[in-house]
Amino acid sequence: QSALTQPPSASGSPGQSVTISCTGTSSDVGAYNFVSWYQQHPGKAPKLMIFEVTKRPSGVPDRFSGSKSGNTASLTVSGLQAEDEADYYCSSYAGGNNFVFGGGTKLTVL
Amino acid sequence: QLQLRESGPGLVKPSETLSLTCTVSGGSISSSSYCWGWIRQPPGKGPEWIGSIYYSGSSYYNPSLKSRVTISVDTSKNQFSLKVRFVTAADTAVYYCARREEDTATVDLWGQGTLVTVSS
Repeated sequence: QSALTQPPSASGSPGQSVTISCTGTSSDVGAYNFVSWYQQHPGKAPKLMIFEVTKRPSGVPDRFSGSKSGNTASLTVSGLQAEDEADYYCSSYAGGNNFVFGGGTKLTVL
Repeated sequence: QLQLRESGPGLVKPSETLSLTCTVSGGSISSSSYCWGWIRQPPGKGPEWIGSIYYSGSSYYNPSLKSRVTISVDTSKNQFSLKVRFVTAADTAVYYCARREEDTATVDLWGQGTLVTVSS
């Protein structure tokens, strides 16, 4: 199983929206609606932001939203805030009790 | 609130075995609603799924690591453990233990992580 493909970087000004893509295959992202997104600040553990493609855990602002089309999932952060600056990773169930992660996208708030 | 905490040596010599334990506090590991897993993240890279185990003892591994990895569970101690044999520098990473929610196939809780360096 190969890692999911994410752009290495993304950026936007405060208040703007930014979308991060996550491309997999028909064996992972395309096969299951079990795509998650994680936010990771330096030196910290990843924090779940989106699960099952579009759902937000309790406490995650509704500025964060997810979607999927075919083998590509996306995370959109609307109304960018300074605290959104972090690394973002996607993950997908890949069958057989296995998961695959993306290489990460560094989001910079300009 | 349930918490996970990794423990084990921070330095392992090449060709030896990396051993880590995850202690679950604030809740029981013996739940059919969850599966318990290990994830690692090499410096500057994305996470990699290592494998997982149910409280019953059924375990599943990343095919790329399966030949070197064993995950076990001790329900009496509310712990689960990871062993990676024949380590090399490529196994240097922050190792996280994590909880996976069954119905949503989501890793919803991570430990704080522990850095393991493979070096002589």
